[in-house]
Amino acid sequence: QVQLQESGPGLVKPSQTLSLTCTVSGDSVSSTLHYWNWIRQQPGKGLEWIGYIYYSGSTYYNPSLKSRITMSVDTSKNQFSLQLTSVTAADTAVYYCARAHSRITGRSFDYWGQGTLVTVSS
Amino acid sequence: DIQMTQSPSTLSASVGDRVNVTCRASQNINRWLAWFQQKPGKAPKFLIYKASSLESGLPSRFSGSGSGTEFTLTISSLQPDDFATYYCHQYNSYPWTFGQGTKVEIK
Repeated sequence: QVQLQESGPGLVKPSQTLSLTCTVSGDSVSSTLHYWNWIRQQPGKGLEWIGYIYYSGSTYYNPSLKSRITMSVDTSKNQFSLQLTSVTAADTAVYYCARAHSRITGRSFDYWGQGTLVTVSS
Repeated sequence: DIQMTQSPSTLSASVGDRVNVTCRASQNINRWLAWFQQKPGKAPKFLIYKASSLESGLPSRFSGSGSGTEFTLTISSLQPDDFATYYCHQYNSYPWTFGQGTKVEIK
């Protein structure tokens, strides 16, 4: 059974960097079939795709956040990570990690972490 | 960016009702559309991919249809467990985007 689990600070000060890690079990972040994603949901709002990283380290970031995002993958720990710099209150959200598939399977985000609330506040 | 617009935003229905949720894309997304169900405090749950393929293990009362710019999620006979918010999602073009959600509530 594939499982994803987010971890990281629940409180970040304005202008600082938000850092989250997603630990994957039941699958490998080295898989050539999957992309490893971050998605967020501001309180009471809809879903916003942040971006993904592939096992090779290639990434695609949402242009709306691109200047502030860095994603990385650690195959030895079977983890991938998100860094979001210069955070403001607008970055307060539940952050989810999720697995997506390459076009070969046609599938979308099939496994998600439980989500972690990150609050930006001084 | 491709805008995804769902209608209605809120839907009141009773157990046993047939329910349709519509999702319109601002440009052609072929059949690269997925549907998710989300309950309060929980992560979204994957329901349907490629517009009409039902995720394995899910009840057949859920179905999807459409292509191009107009899509529909149908629940053939609403069950108590189905009261939730539903999101469509396009993965045809970057950046991948979601609809704003449709809340299905008890009438």
